[in-house]
Amino acid sequence: AIQMTQSPSSLSASVGDRVTITCRASQGIRNDLGWYQQKPGKAPKLLIYAASSLQSGVPSRFSGSGSGTDFTLTISSLQPEDFATYYCLQDYNYPQTFGQGTKVEIK
Amino acid sequence: QLQLQESGPGLVKPSETLSLTCTVSGGSISSSSYYWGWIRQPPGKGLEWIGSIYYSGSTYYNPSLKSRVTISVDTSKNQFSLKLSSVTAADTAVYYCASDSTLFDYWGQGTLVTVSS
Repeated sequence: AIQMTQSPSSLSASVGDRVTITCRASQGIRNDLGWYQQKPGKAPKLLIYAASSLQSGVPSRFSGSGSGTDFTLTISSLQPEDFATYYCLQDYNYPQTFGQGTKVEIK
Repeated sequence: QLQLQESGPGLVKPSETLSLTCTVSGGSISSSSYYWGWIRQPPGKGLEWIGSIYYSGSTYYNPSLKSRVTISVDTSKNQFSLKLSSVTAADTAVYYCASDSTLFDYWGQGTLVTVSS
């Protein structure tokens, strides 16, 4: 199974900060990667698919980049509603695997 | 817009079989555009893909659970189901069903299943 390693596991940031989360795959996965946001008690919400495509309805402050093994989720200006846990997911092959998550907390 | 809703017992005894159903509305489960998946999340932990099914019945399972998992589809009821046998406390989790066209794009609200005697 492809391992997805996210970093950092948590971070503290202030409203307005630029935040970057990375995800590294244990082997090349082309651009078959997505990013999810999860708030407590809620289902994950798809933000980015195909590594860099913004899901409909998602604010443009979210962006994704990368290909092969290294991927990045960037929030250009952190908003109060963005404090949550973020996960990457590879769908290059089965079993689909998630990163372990990055919790974004208020500084 | 698709809507998914999980249903099933919230408490299962150890060694028994966990059974959940996902009802899809707002679209047809027979659509060639979607796979249908189950994902779980133990309390306070990360997400784990359990398996997926296509309307034709083709299935894909996580090897870590494959010997205990069965996913099936009922096109007449617009539902798909999960069975996980021989459960232990480690199977306690929130179980989500989701549609998979471009990744998992629509999710149910999740249902907590606790394994306890």
